[in-house]
Amino acid sequence: EDKVVQSPLSLVVHEGDTVTLNCSYEVTNFRSLLWYKQEKKAPTFLFMLTSSGIEKKSGRLSSILDKKELFSILNITATQTGDSAIYLCAVGGSNYKLTFGKGTLLTVNP
Amino acid sequence: DSGVTQTPKHLITATGQRVTLRCSPRSGDLSVYWYQQSLDQGLQFLIQYYNGEERAKGNILERFSAQQFPDLHSELNLSSLELGDSALYFCASSSPQSPNQFFGPGTRLTVL
Repeated sequence: EDKVVQSPLSLVVHEGDTVTLNCSYEVTNFRSLLWYKQEKKAPTFLFMLTSSGIEKKSGRLSSILDKKELFSILNITATQTGDSAIYLCAVGGSNYKLTFGKGTLLTVNP
Repeated sequence: DSGVTQTPKHLITATGQRVTLRCSPRSGDLSVYWYQQSLDQGLQFLIQYYNGEERAKGNILERFSAQQFPDLHSELNLSSLELGDSALYFCASSSPQSPNQFFGPGTRLTVL
C-alpha cells in the first residue's frame, strides 16, 4: 500500500523565518510528487516534481525531490502571515491515483 | 477558482438517511476523484472515474457508491449515514496529460 508521511505535523514560526517541510514516501510505480496548499477551502496546487524535474521554485517557495532517498522538501523563505495553511504532499503512482500525507499545519505569527 | 464545481456546499442530515453529492469537472478533464477529509484522517482517497468507468478504488465504504455520467459529471451517493460520516467531501479532476488534480470547493456533510 502506498504511504506518504509528512513532518512536522505542525509548526509555528514568526514572519520572516524560513521553514522546511518534509515528505517521505513509499509508492509502487512512482510517477510524480505534488505539493498543495490548503487554507480554509480546497487544496490548491503548488508544485509537481517528477523524474525529469526534481527541483522547482516559485517566488519564496521551492521544492526538491530525492528519488533515491524517497523524500521531498518544501522550503518557504521570508514567511508571511498569508503563508499560514496546511501544506499537503501527495504522491502519484499508477493510474494517476494520488496518495496524500496528513499535512503540515504552518502558522506564521506577525 | 479551479473550474471544478460541487453542490451542495453544505448538507445537514440525520443518521440513517441517504444523500447525493454532485461534481462537475473542469472542461476537458476526463478523470474525477472523490476524497473524504476529516480532522483526524486527513484527505482520504475514495474512488476515481475515468471517462465514465471506475479506474481506482480507495477506502470507500460499501454504503458509499459513485458514478460518472456521459457528460462527465459525477455523483457520490452516501447511504445509511452514520455520525462518523460527517466530513468534508472533495471532488477533483485531472486531464489525461497530467496527474495534477484540481479540487472543487467541497461539500461539508454534517450527520446529526
